[in-house]
Amino acid sequence: DAGITQSPRHKVTETGTPVTLRCHQTENHRYMYWYRQDPGHGLRLIHYSYGVKDTDKGEVSDGYSVSRSKTEDFLLTLESATSSQTSVYFCAISEQWSGSIQYFGAGTRLSVL
Amino acid sequence: GESVGLHLPTLSVQEGDNSIINCAYSNSASDYFIWYKQESGKGPQFIIDIRSNMDKRQGQRVTVLLNKTVKHLSLQIAATQPGDSAVYFCAENPGGTSYGKLTFGQGTILTVHP
Repeated sequence: DAGITQSPRHKVTETGTPVTLRCHQTENHRYMYWYRQDPGHGLRLIHYSYGVKDTDKGEVSDGYSVSRSKTEDFLLTLESATSSQTSVYFCAISEQWSGSIQYFGAGTRLSVL
Repeated sequence: GESVGLHLPTLSVQEGDNSIINCAYSNSASDYFIWYKQESGKGPQFIIDIRSNMDKRQGQRVTVLLNKTVKHLSLQIAATQPGDSAVYFCAENPGGTSYGKLTFGQGTILTVHP
């Protein structure tokens, strides 16, 4: 998975609790992305980063925040998890902003009960 | 917003046959159209892309066709192998202020029978 590590791989949490997912890359790629994958919706972009401390919103950013303090780490935080945030979360990286070629991590399966 | 969709959610083929996976798109301003493959339990993997000013591009055993007149994208896999069994997603790279923010379709499940 192109030097991308997502942690944890699986998590079960309760509604209202904060959750942080981590994406770590060893490729030194500038651009990083967080997606969620749900049946019937494909992959949807949550947030992305175009450099250290530079982030922006994607299609489905409500209820999520991100931070990138180092090139290699991109964190996704659910401040107060809801059942609608039960999903599989993928981190991706790319070298160029052209965006076509993105390398994905193995995913984190999150269940919010 | 614009969306990318698929005609067929599942496709079953015999090993050695050619496979064709179709996709309809609605954003005629998109700059690139892309195909990704996702195997069970893994993240998506880039296969091939095509720029909007092209109508055909070939890779190793794969060909992508773009028909802008009817807003249709297809992925052809030659001599399909069991290892090709996966979910295939089309995606588009929108132009303008959304450039770089990929929009994915819902996916087609390809099953290859030995």
